Amino acid sequence: AQKVTQAQTEISVVEKEDVTLDCVYETRDTTYYLFWYKQPPSGELVFLIRRNSFDEQNEISGRYSWNFQKSTSSFNFTITASQVVDSAVYFCALRDTGRRALTFGSGTRLQVQP
Amino acid sequence: GAGVSQSPSNKVTEKGKDVELRCDPISGHTALYWYRQSLGQGLEFLIYFQGNSAPDKSGLPSDRFSAERTGGSVSTLTIQRTQQEDSAVYLCASSLGDNYNEQFFGPGTRLTVL
Repeated sequence: AQKVTQAQTEISVVEKEDVTLDCVYETRDTTYYLFWYKQPPSGELVFLIRRNSFDEQNEISGRYSWNFQKSTSSFNFTITASQVVDSAVYFCALRDTGRRALTFGSGTRLQVQP
Repeated sequence: GAGVSQSPSNKVTEKGKDVELRCDPISGHTALYWYRQSLGQGLEFLIYFQGNSAPDKSGLPSDRFSAERTGGSVSTLTIQRTQQEDSAVYLCASSLGDNYNEQFFGPGTRLTVL
């Protein structure tokens, strides 16, 4: 069975601080994909990144970076120099061969204070 | 291009009534998903359509829930004899095919059952 755990329920930082959101997953498959989505106060889920299980290279996109480590089944997300506009709920999700739909973690609410 | 659209954006109904929620996926996307987001349960998968294949209904919580996808495009989620525990945001997503592609989400329909 698939499972995604986001242990941090809520994080509060001050603008310009770096922040890391943790994601730990469970799957029996060797082929799977991991995703991060952002849900701002407006409510719409916004796709951020997709990473497949065969590619452990870290990825950077502007102030965002992702660290994928199969050895610890983790796919952590770091925001560098956070901004107020980063305030949102962030979801980590997993899709493997056993299930077409995404299995989501419970989300981490990030509050960036000015 | 246009994203996933859902209607209505809000629906208030009385317990016991039937409701229909509509989803228009991104043009050309063959895969369509319904999820439910509620405070206690997080983001839960409901049903998945891919092309002309039989839908994956494994996430539907009861036989009061059903969904159709007509002409491989628009989908309707129907909840019969609504209960208060059905109150949630119902999210629709679509993706390009069935190859672990990212899912793009609509703005959701907020359902309140009084």
